[in-house]
Parts: sequence; structure tokens; C-alpha cells
Amino acid sequence: GNSVTQMEGPVTLSEEAFLTINCTYTATGYPSLFWYVQYPGEGLQLLLKATKADDKGSNKGFEATYRKETTSFHLEKGSVQVSDSAVYFCALRAAYSGAGSYQLTFGKGTKLSVIP
Amino acid sequence: DAEITQSPRHKITETGRQVTLACHQTWNHNNMFWYRQDLGHGLRLIHYSYGVQDTNKGEVSDGYSVSRSNTEDLPLTLESAASSQTSVYFCASSEGSGQGLSPLHFGNGTRLTVT
Repeated sequence: GNSVTQMEGPVTLSEEAFLTINCTYTATGYPSLFWYVQYPGEGLQLLLKATKADDKGSNKGFEATYRKETTSFHLEKGSVQVSDSAVYFCALRAAYSGAGSYQLTFGKGTKLSVIP
Repeated sequence: DAEITQSPRHKITETGRQVTLACHQTWNHNNMFWYRQDLGHGLRLIHYSYGVQDTNKGEVSDGYSVSRSNTEDLPLTLESAASSQTSVYFCASSEGSGQGLSPLHFGNGTRLTVT
């Protein structure tokens, strides 16, 4: 079946540090890949996505590139801010169509804390 | 603005009681989902629906049921609450199908405690 593996947290960084959160996946074909962010007390929000190999998703200074050869979708940001403190989830949606293909499979989440 | 609303935000109930968590979306999305979030497990799919009168079991459906009588609502029922169902529950929705599928929109969650 499909699965997503994220690096274990929590991750604590100083403001303006470089961020990488690793994400690898197992799936057949070419799934769509997502990063969601969850701020305290809130639901998940889509951060960025990529739907085919070599696509780069980007938003709010975050980037992730769909690497089919390494089955990875690592999240990066060049300079984190305190406001980036949240839990980050990597997720995939299966490539096949039909029943059961519209839901997302999530990783376990990585908690990021950015200190001033 | 369109939104997805969950209620209540917090609920405490006793073992064995029936509990219903509400989810209402004004996006007019055809696809709706229920997830539970637990430390160390991330989000796991409970049930989902692709339209009115359609419901399907997810990864962790035992002890839960849903019904879809209209586009806007997908209530989640715990038939006989158990302590193992203490969790944070998220409802989500999306529209379209195939390559036209939109990303998921999430509600703010319901924190359920079963004592």
C-alpha cells in the first residue's frame, strides 16, 4: 500500500536558519505529493504541492521538489521565522483513479519550533 | 467566504455513550473525509464520501459510522465510545475528480475525550 515517511521531530531552529524536513514515499505510479502545515489549535492548511516528477512546489518561501528517482519530496526554507513554528505533514494522493483514490495518505508530522 | 465547520470543538463523554461529531461545509464539495489525529500516528482516515448517499470505510473505521444525506454535511457517529477513541478528529473536503481534483480543505478539528 501507499505510505509516507517523515523525519522524526521535534525540530528546533534559530530564526533565519535553513530548514529541511525529509519526506520519502512508497506508492505505485506517479502520485501527487503535498505538504500541509498545522498551526496550534487549527486544522491543516495546504502549503504546497507537486503533481508530476521534477515539479517544484513553492509557497511562502518554502519549496519542495518531486524526485521520482529517490521517491522523495523534501521541504526546504532558506530562512525560517518564528511564525513558521507549526507541525508539517507530508502527504500523497494515489495516481490511480476510481474508488479510494481521492483521499490523502499522511506522514506522522514533524513539529518545528523556531526560537528568536 | 466558503468554509468547513466542525462542532463541537471540544467534547467529553463516557465510555459506552453514542457521540456524533458534526461537519458542515459551504464549499459545495462532493468529496468529504473524516480523519483522526493521534501522537505518533499522524492522520488516519476513518470514513469518506464522494457524494450524497455514498459512504466508504477508511483505514480505521471500526466503531465509527457516517451518513451523507446532503452535499454539505457528513456527521461522524461513535456508536459506543471507547477510551481508544480519545483523539482529535478532522473533517476535510475536496471537489472534482481525477486530474481535476482540488486539494483538501480542513476544519479546525474536534477534540474528543472518552472517560
